[in-house]
Amino acid sequence: NAGVTQTPKFQVLKTGQSMTLQCAQDMNHNSMYWYRQDPGMGLRLIYYSASEGTTDKGEVPNGYNVSRLNKREFSLRLESAAPSQTSVYFCASTKGPGQGLNEQFFGPGTRLTVL
Amino acid sequence: DAKTTQPNSMESNEEEPVHLPCNHSTISGTDYIHWYRQLPSQGPEYVIHGLTSNVNNRMASLAIAEDRKSSTLILHRATLRDAAVYYCILRPTGNQFYFGTGTSLTVIP
Repeated sequence: NAGVTQTPKFQVLKTGQSMTLQCAQDMNHNSMYWYRQDPGMGLRLIYYSASEGTTDKGEVPNGYNVSRLNKREFSLRLESAAPSQTSVYFCASTKGPGQGLNEQFFGPGTRLTVL
Repeated sequence: DAKTTQPNSMESNEEEPVHLPCNHSTISGTDYIHWYRQLPSQGPEYVIHGLTSNVNNRMASLAIAEDRKSSTLILHRATLRDAAVYYCILRPTGNQFYFGTGTSLTVIP
């Protein structure tokens, strides 16, 4: 199993450009999450999807949109990138509601710089 | 969102035990205590979790105070590969994890 994969690994954008970060998991998990991590900080939840077909806002959703494409894939879109969105983005997944308070599995991260 | 308080940094000598403390005085009765760690340039990885009783697994032990307002992650013999940021997280019966800034552990050879 590859676990949680993210593409791209690195990206540089100019202010105002748009892009989509891709995330996929092959563990048949129901719930998926997007976090951002700024330098020297902990992770902050942007959006999550408790199950296929549902999405909810986390702590810092402004400037982002998400799509739960199917059970495996959860994408994060920046419609108009801003320098404040320079960060490392992590995708994660868990088995999901009703299946125990089990661990989150994280991807390797996408390092995004907005100039 | 439930909050935790951890020291910013700690040091340990290699092959000695490490006790990483966490305060969570506002914990509710249904909050699980989770620990994750993040190695340099990697995503976080699960270490251990518990509710009321002490827990052991191959990576670490989790000691939970009787009043549940604090807990301690115990690494029995620190190795250089244990150098990481350790996060103590309260997980309510929902879908959201709230990460703080964690404790940066330095292991001295």
